[in-house]
Amino acid sequence: EPEVTQTPSHQVTQMGQEVILRCVPISNHLYFYWYRQILGQKVEFLVSFYNNEISEKSEIFDDQFSVERPDGSNFTLKIRSTKLEDSAMYFCASDGRQGPSNEKLFFGSGTQLSVL
Amino acid sequence: AQSVTQPDIHITVSEGASLELRCNYSYGATPYLFWYVQSPGQGLQLLLKYFSGDTLVQGIKGFEAEFKRSQSSFNLRKPSVHWSDAAEYFCAVSPNQAGTALIFGKGTTLSVSS
Repeated sequence: EPEVTQTPSHQVTQMGQEVILRCVPISNHLYFYWYRQILGQKVEFLVSFYNNEISEKSEIFDDQFSVERPDGSNFTLKIRSTKLEDSAMYFCASDGRQGPSNEKLFFGSGTQLSVL
Repeated sequence: AQSVTQPDIHITVSEGASLELRCNYSYGATPYLFWYVQSPGQGLQLLLKYFSGDTLVQGIKGFEAEFKRSQSSFNLRKPSVHWSDAAEYFCAVSPNQAGTALIFGKGTTLSVSS
């Protein structure tokens, strides 16, 4: 079965530092997403990306966040200046969109970001 | 606004016993409904989904869920739980719109006792 790959699995950073979380979506997928899950809380949507631009973003996705698809295979989430409250598990997802919305949505195993 | 409620934070079930995890949603039209499972240290795995048609949907690992429009519910069931089913279960909803986000519930942690 195809899978979404995320690296690293765990990243530790100092407050104020920039981090880049990397994702390799399933090839031939067109829609890409970032979600996050703060420990003990629900999974929250951050941003969706289609045709090289953001199609939707939540209020969490402020100016500190950015996404990029630098080449044909990677999809990255950058946090410019990390805060303690950015500590969370970050999930990447991609959607094959062969049918209704989210029908072919696959999640990666996540990157656990710890901000110290 | 769309929302998903999972009333039970933690449930413990004996191995071999039946299971029902509750999910209620709030949405104006008929949404797309999903159940995901997250094992420790793992990502989110889709168990099943409902888009239209038969309101009883079958998923992987012996799970099923029933969409009840009158109750705005999409409860997950399994007739006989296995120890390997211990995990976090998330109900999610999304509208029928391209690139739209999933809205997740807070999750229910399932523990299985021997």
